[in-house]
Amino acid sequence: EVQLLESGGDLVQPGGSLRLSCAGSGFTFRSYAMSWVRQAPGKGLEWVSGVGIDGVTTSYSDSVKGRFSISRDNSKNTLYLQMNSLRAEDTAVYYCAKSTAPGKHCFDSWGQGTLVTVSS
Amino acid sequence: ENVLTQSPATLSLSPGERATLSCRASQSVSSSLAWYQQRPGQAPRLLIYDASNRATGIPARFSGSGSGTDFTLTISSLEPEDFAVYYCQQRSNWPLTFGQGTRVEIK
Repeated sequence: EVQLLESGGDLVQPGGSLRLSCAGSGFTFRSYAMSWVRQAPGKGLEWVSGVGIDGVTTSYSDSVKGRFSISRDNSKNTLYLQMNSLRAEDTAVYYCAKSTAPGKHCFDSWGQGTLVTVSS
Repeated sequence: ENVLTQSPATLSLSPGERATLSCRASQSVSSSLAWYQQRPGQAPRLLIYDASNRATGIPARFSGSGSGTDFTLTISSLEPEDFAVYYCQQRSNWPLTFGQGTRVEIK
């Protein structure tokens, strides 16, 4: 069974930093692209960032480009999201999500989410 | 950015009725469109990928159609567990984008 377990969410002040982690199990982690998707309280889904199987190919939404950095460690089956210069509008539940197949960036497995709150 | 517009925002129906949800893209996505269901307090669940293919374990009452810029998710006969929010998502253009969601509520 595929499992994705996020961690690292917390309350942080505006301008602060946070690193999220997502541990994958039950599948060959190194063979799938991965993404982070967030959901602000009471709002819809927003794709944040994605990384290819090689860990080199990365993409970001305009709202986080230059502030967030995605990475992966295939030896640890773990996905990361380094978030810097955090703003109030970054407050959301952050989900990690597994792509269905190479080159197909829709998501067949999701974690339970980790809450990031940016507030003073 | 490829903007996805879902309609209606809310659909009020009774169990057993047919639900028809729409998703329109501002640029063509060919058939690279997916649909998700999200129940309260839960993560999204993939229902349909590549416009018309049901994901593993998804009941046959869910079907998807369309190509280019206009897509439809149909639930043939609503079950109590189908009352939820539904999102479309395109993977044709970067950045990936989601629609704003359609809430299917009990009438």
